[in-house]
Amino acid sequence: AQTVTQSQPEMSVQEAETVTLSCTYDTSESNYYLFWYKQPPSRQMILVIRQEAYKQQNATENRFSVNFQKAAKSFSLKISDSQLGDTAMYFCASDGGSQGNLIFGKGTKLSVKP
Amino acid sequence: DAGITQSPRHKVTETGTPVTLRCHQTENHRYMYWYRQDPGHGLRLIHYSYGVKDTDKGEVSDGYSVSRSKTEDFLLTLESATSSQTSVYFCAISESDANEQFFGPGTRLTVL
Repeated sequence: AQTVTQSQPEMSVQEAETVTLSCTYDTSESNYYLFWYKQPPSRQMILVIRQEAYKQQNATENRFSVNFQKAAKSFSLKISDSQLGDTAMYFCASDGGSQGNLIFGKGTKLSVKP
Repeated sequence: DAGITQSPRHKVTETGTPVTLRCHQTENHRYMYWYRQDPGHGLRLIHYSYGVKDTDKGEVSDGYSVSRSKTEDFLLTLESATSSQTSVYFCAISESDANEQFFGPGTRLTVL
């Protein structure tokens, strides 16, 4: 079965600093997508960034970037210049589900401290 | 933001009662999904739909049924709610089975 593992249940970072959230995944597919979702206390699931496996270039969205290591099956999220509004649960996901569903990790709770 | 609504947003019910959750989209996306979110489990797929009247089971489908009579609506029914179905339920939509999914605001269901 496809799996997504987030090894850091909780992390904290000072405002304006940089933090990296880790994610590893297991898939037998040759082409696939990876995602990071943010879930603030409002509970809304918000897409932060996505990466297509066949693209070697790491995806970037403003202060959010990924380090995609295909051979190592690693997909980490870097948040630069952390802001208080970045406080949330972050979920890594792959589209490896047999029904086209996303497979989610268990999440990393990020706290940004002033 | 993708046009996805869920109703109700909160519900408290008793064991053994039927419950129906509704997901409504205005994006005309073909694919719709129901997930449940529980502490320590992330989100897990309950059922999904790949078109009107086309549905299939997910990882945790026992005790749930779904229906999709229109593109915009996807209903999740708990025929006889149990305490183990206390959870937060999310609906998601996608243009294809290889695209990102957009989520509704979630429904918090408590079964006493």
